[in-house]
Amino acid sequence: GDSVTQMEGPVTLSEEAFLTINCTYTATGYPSLFWYVQYPGEGLQLLLKATKADDKGSNKGFEATYRKETTSFHLEKGSVQVSDSAVYFCALNNNAGNMLTFGGGTRLMVKP
Amino acid sequence: GAVVSQHPSRVICKSGTSVKIECRSLDFQATTMFWYRQFPKQSLMLMATSNEGSKATYEQGVEKDKFLINHASLTLSTLTVTSAHPEDSSFYICSASTGTGKNIQYFGAGTRLSVL
Repeated sequence: GDSVTQMEGPVTLSEEAFLTINCTYTATGYPSLFWYVQYPGEGLQLLLKATKADDKGSNKGFEATYRKETTSFHLEKGSVQVSDSAVYFCALNNNAGNMLTFGGGTRLMVKP
Repeated sequence: GAVVSQHPSRVICKSGTSVKIECRSLDFQATTMFWYRQFPKQSLMLMATSNEGSKATYEQGVEKDKFLINHASLTLSTLTVTSAHPEDSSFYICSASTGTGKNIQYFGAGTRLSVL
């Protein structure tokens, strides 16, 4: 079945550092790929998405490129802020039923 | 953007009581709603998928008589935790999706249930 693997956290960075959170997936066909962010005590918010190979999703300085050849969708940000501290989930949707398959989540901690 | 409201955000109840959690799509019609459970520092576990007007589809290992789901309209789904016990304490999150195909799921803010 479909699966999503993302790097284990926590990832601890200093403010203005470069961020990469790796995400790879296993799926048949052509899934849509998503990054969701969860701030403490809250639900998930959609951060960005990509629906086909070579698409780049971007939002709030974050970006991720759908790489079918490496089955990856790594999240990057050039300069993180303390307010980016949260848990980030990579997910895929590969069926008409709209079910999401989530990675395990990666906690990001940004220190001033 | 699409907004999903989940209520209550936090509930504390005694063991043996039932708790109802509401999930509403405020500005769109949700053909499908999903209910997730999240344990501390873990990912989301899909509990069930509900489509308006039909019975929910439960994931393996989720007791349908324990977690009652009602998707009464295109904007409202409810999850009732019946006869709650301390092991049911968790963070419950709903999401809603429009139409069919690989559409985006919009998430509620979650409900933290604590059973004493």
